[in-house]
Amino acid sequence: EPEVTQTPSHQVTQMGQEVILRCVPISNHLYFYWYRQILGQKVEFLVSFYNNEISEKSEIFDDQFSVERPDGSNFTLKIRSTKLEDSAMYFCASSALGNTEAFFGQGTRLTVV
Amino acid sequence: RKEVEQDPGPFNVPEGATVAFNCTYSNSASQSFFWYRQDCRKEPKLLMSVYSSGNEDGRFTAQLNRASQYISLLIRDSKLSDSATYLCVVTLLSSGSARQLTFGSGTQLTVLP
Repeated sequence: EPEVTQTPSHQVTQMGQEVILRCVPISNHLYFYWYRQILGQKVEFLVSFYNNEISEKSEIFDDQFSVERPDGSNFTLKIRSTKLEDSAMYFCASSALGNTEAFFGQGTRLTVV
Repeated sequence: RKEVEQDPGPFNVPEGATVAFNCTYSNSASQSFFWYRQDCRKEPKLLMSVYSSGNEDGRFTAQLNRASQYISLLIRDSKLSDSATYLCVVTLLSSGSARQLTFGSGTQLTVLP
């Protein structure tokens, strides 16, 4: 069964460092998303991406964040100058169309120390 | 007021019990409605979509009341494997083509032997 894969599963970084979280969406999907979940809190939308550009972004997705689809398979989330409050589980998701089911990857747990 | 509000629980029920979860949403422009389940430290997975006419999938029944902005999930004959956090999710009509999911905080269910 096709699935969304994310790497790494866990990343520890020092405050102020840049991190890149990687995702390989399902191969025939056209829409890509990043969500995050701070421990004990709800899942929050960060950004959606379609046709090589951001479709929508939330208030959380400020200038510290960027997304890229560097090749035909990867979808990355870059966080510049990480803060302690960026510690969370980051989920990548993809969907075939904008209004069809989004499938989530297993997440990357980011710990900023 | 929270966009999507759920009773956090926890609900602890014996095997075989029937359990009901409720959810309210604040934006009357909400377009689509879902129940996801999330196991501890795992990604959200779609359980079922929710339609105005109500829909059933095996032991699970979902109802939507647009007038009251209320969604419910009923689980009959609960199994140990139903233990998880159940997430109420809505989408809004957006300017972008991608569907942004808005999650509730979840209701935790533990089914006891």
